[in-house]
Amino acid sequence: KAGVTQTPRYLIKTRGQQVTLSCSPISGHRSVSWYQQTPGQGLQFLFEYFSETQRNKGNFPGRFSGRQFSNSRSEMNVSTLELGDSALYLCASSLSGLAGVNIKETQYFGPGTRLLVL
Amino acid sequence: GQSLEQPSEVTAVEGAIVQINCTYQTSGFYGLSWYQQHDGGAPTFLSYNALDGLEETGRFSSFLSRSDSYGYLLLQELQMKDSASYFCAVGTGGYQKVTFGTGTKLQVIP
Repeated sequence: KAGVTQTPRYLIKTRGQQVTLSCSPISGHRSVSWYQQTPGQGLQFLFEYFSETQRNKGNFPGRFSGRQFSNSRSEMNVSTLELGDSALYLCASSLSGLAGVNIKETQYFGPGTRLLVL
Repeated sequence: GQSLEQPSEVTAVEGAIVQINCTYQTSGFYGLSWYQQHDGGAPTFLSYNALDGLEETGRFSSFLSRSDSYGYLLLQELQMKDSASYFCAVGTGGYQKVTFGTGTKLQVIP
């Protein structure tokens, strides 16, 4: 079974631009979550999607948005990039989005997209 | 707010035992998870504790005390490949609402 894939793996953008990142979950997984990882802040939850609906959202500004398609693939978009948006963006998939609250479910992370904003 | 505290760095000798502690203050608690992340890699799930006590998975064990808001990850018979960052994470409710600690960088030395 193929793992979680993310594209692109590396990206360089300049301030003010926008960026779209893509995540393909493990086959059969309907929940996709996005996280931002930085050395100073660690792993921070961005949002979670299930069946094309955003069910949960972390404390990030509205410049961060996402969506999920009918095949469970997900994209996240960051508009008006700032230097502080430089980070590793990770997506994770799970069967139904209960990883961390249900012992029977595990979330699997993709390799991440490393975004550098200049 | 939510906070999880872990030591930032730990160094241990190959073949030894190391314990990585995690204390948490969260507005909800469903369970404590541990993840391993090698440099440049993706976090991978190690263990999950929903109830007090010890869970053992091979060389790794994880412990939880909900009354103390405390848990730890125990790594035995350390190997060089165990050098990585280890994150504790609390499921705080809702769907995929998981709060991560800032991680502990473990260095295993010969």
